[in-house]
Amino acid sequence: NAGVMQNPRHLVRRRGQEARLRCSPMKGHSHVYWYRQLPEEGLKFMVYLQKENIIDESGMPKERFSAEFPKEGPSILRIQQVVRGDSAAYFCASSSGTGGNQPQHFGDGTRLSIL
Amino acid sequence: KNEVEQSPQNLTAQEGEFITINCSYSVGISALHWLQQHPGGGIVSLFMLSSGKKKHGRLIATINIQEKHSSLHITASHPRDSAVYICAAPYSGGGADGLTFGKGTHLIIQP
Repeated sequence: NAGVMQNPRHLVRRRGQEARLRCSPMKGHSHVYWYRQLPEEGLKFMVYLQKENIIDESGMPKERFSAEFPKEGPSILRIQQVVRGDSAAYFCASSSGTGGNQPQHFGDGTRLSIL
Repeated sequence: KNEVEQSPQNLTAQEGEFITINCSYSVGISALHWLQQHPGGGIVSLFMLSSGKKKHGRLIATINIQEKHSSLHITASHPRDSAVYICAAPYSGGGADGLTFGKGTHLIIQP
């Protein structure tokens, strides 16, 4: 019973390139959350998705960032034209989202470094 | 939007000591989360609680909904408990919301 799987664990990009971060939720989970942890800072909510729908993207920068959770396959967080300030750890969490409060299970994160 | 405050930010204690970490939040919530993050960065969910008290091994979490306050206790602390402990509440209070996080408590247990 695999947990939340994120890949890659580490990603290095040069300024201006695109970064694609993947998250496969736990089996049976249809709710996915993306969080960002900047160096020496706390975790911050970015976006909440259910299958094929963005429910809340209020924490995501308006430009260059997008997220999707297609009917088939993992959730993808995409960062276009990366800048040094995008260097951070990006965590994905999933929950079943049914029956009221459900715990969120976290992946091990993707550490993004921008050269 | 919920605001989450944690204290202390840093805590160093001797092995065996009883540890308390406090958390307060601003918006009424359906449940509060306690998380643990080890060096190397993985995040583990310790507790999700909406009332009263929960216990898991040497860890105890309590919540007072009326006062919007929660505490995490560690009994008989051990060096392997050294980690960052993070309190989190739903962004807008609802059960399926994304979470907003406290800044974390950096705990070091010395042998």
